Amino acid sequence: NAGVTQTPKFRILKIGQSMTLQCAQDMNHNYMYWYRQDPGMGLKLIYYSVGAGITDKGEVPNGYNVSRSTTEDFPLRLELAAPSQTSVYFCASSYAVSGNTIYFGEGSWLTVV
Amino acid sequence: AQTVTQSQPEMSVQEAETVTLSCTYDTSESDYYLFWYKQPPSRQMILVIRQEAYKQQNATENRFSVNFQKAAKSFSLKISDSQLGDAAMYFCAYRANYGGATNKLIFGTGTLLAVQP
Repeated sequence: NAGVTQTPKFRILKIGQSMTLQCAQDMNHNYMYWYRQDPGMGLKLIYYSVGAGITDKGEVPNGYNVSRSTTEDFPLRLELAAPSQTSVYFCASSYAVSGNTIYFGEGSWLTVV
Repeated sequence: AQTVTQSQPEMSVQEAETVTLSCTYDTSESDYYLFWYKQPPSRQMILVIRQEAYKQQNATENRFSVNFQKAAKSFSLKISDSQLGDAAMYFCAYRANYGGATNKLIFGTGTLLAVQP
């Protein structure tokens, strides 16, 4: 049972570098999400997608980009990393029906120095 | 805009005792879901329990139960017979139930639960 898989689990970036966090789900979920969790805080939505080819901004999209070329994959790209992007990033997915549970990946710890 | 408030940053309970975590929320919607997620030190988000707003009966999952007061917009989590493995951060979350594209979870800031042996 793979569920939602995120890579890498840990990464240290230098200021100004770019990178992509990978996310894949094998549950045939339509909806996918990227959240970030800052220390001592709840999760905040960065971007989400309701299906292949469709993405939209969440609460905190600045400094990030996403794409959804397939149902399974939803990568998150950080351009010009900044210390403010030091956080734990969670990818999640769910079926389209809103009452369905959102399933989370194990998180990716990103530090920008 | 919808908001979720958890007013207890930290709680502590003795093993085998009962503890209640509080959550209030604000919304103008009448149809929505509420969730409690557990986040242990591994940081994985684990669904504990969920409640549909239109169901009057409080949800129960083994030792976990909720007290859902829709009029008061309150959604507390009760953990009975607390175990050491229950120690974690607990997040309350809200999700509107309408057919638009913005079906996303809104989280509270969390309550850190310590379980004393």
